[in-house]
Amino acid sequence: EIVLTQSPGTLSLSPGERATLSCRASQSISSSYLAWYQQKPGQAPRLLIYAASSRATGIPDRFSGSGSGADFTLTISRLEPEDFAVYYCQQYSGSPRWTFGQGTKVEIK
Amino acid sequence: QVQLVESGGGLVKPGGSLRLSCAASGFTFSDFYISWIRQAPGKGLEWVSYIHYSGSPIYYADSVKGRFTISRDNAKNSLYLQMNSLRAEDTAVYYCVRERAAADRFYYMDVWGRGTTVTVSS
Repeated sequence: EIVLTQSPGTLSLSPGERATLSCRASQSISSSYLAWYQQKPGQAPRLLIYAASSRATGIPDRFSGSGSGADFTLTISRLEPEDFAVYYCQQYSGSPRWTFGQGTKVEIK
Repeated sequence: QVQLVESGGGLVKPGGSLRLSCAASGFTFSDFYISWIRQAPGKGLEWVSYIHYSGSPIYYADSVKGRFTISRDNAKNSLYLQMNSLRAEDTAVYYCVRERAAADRFYYMDVWGRGTTVTVSS
């Protein structure tokens, strides 16, 4: 089973700053299999990025994804107040079908 | 609009059963793969089960295999999760989620319900 490890666990930043979130797989995976989600308290996760770098419909262009092989990154270029949330990476793994990273919390400094 | 609405959660004793439902609207339900995802209090996301748009194949996480049964009724635009032999560790918010998958191009979950809460406690 491929394990996804996200770092850091918590990121303390101010509005307007750049956020860089990492997702590392325990072995190389296809970029097609990697997605990112945002979750705010009391809400369901929301798709941000799929296929490692494609923005989902309606997602602002301050969100970008990159990476390949086993290392992937979600970047938020300039944090807006509504961006403070928990972010999960996810991969399609076949068996089990889906696995998630443990999450990175982006909090207001 | 496109949406999934879960129901059926509640408080149940260890060893008990519960049946979750998910009602789909705003899209052609029978065209899509669907999964259940759960999230224990204060924890991350865990995939639970998957069902093909035709009803087969079906897959389960090892943690629920043999205890949970997923099914769908495309005529009613509905998905179900029968949960038996419930344990304290099954306590979570359960989300019904639409999958998108195209071999070698993309795999992701684009529509999530708001979730239904299952609490297993004596």
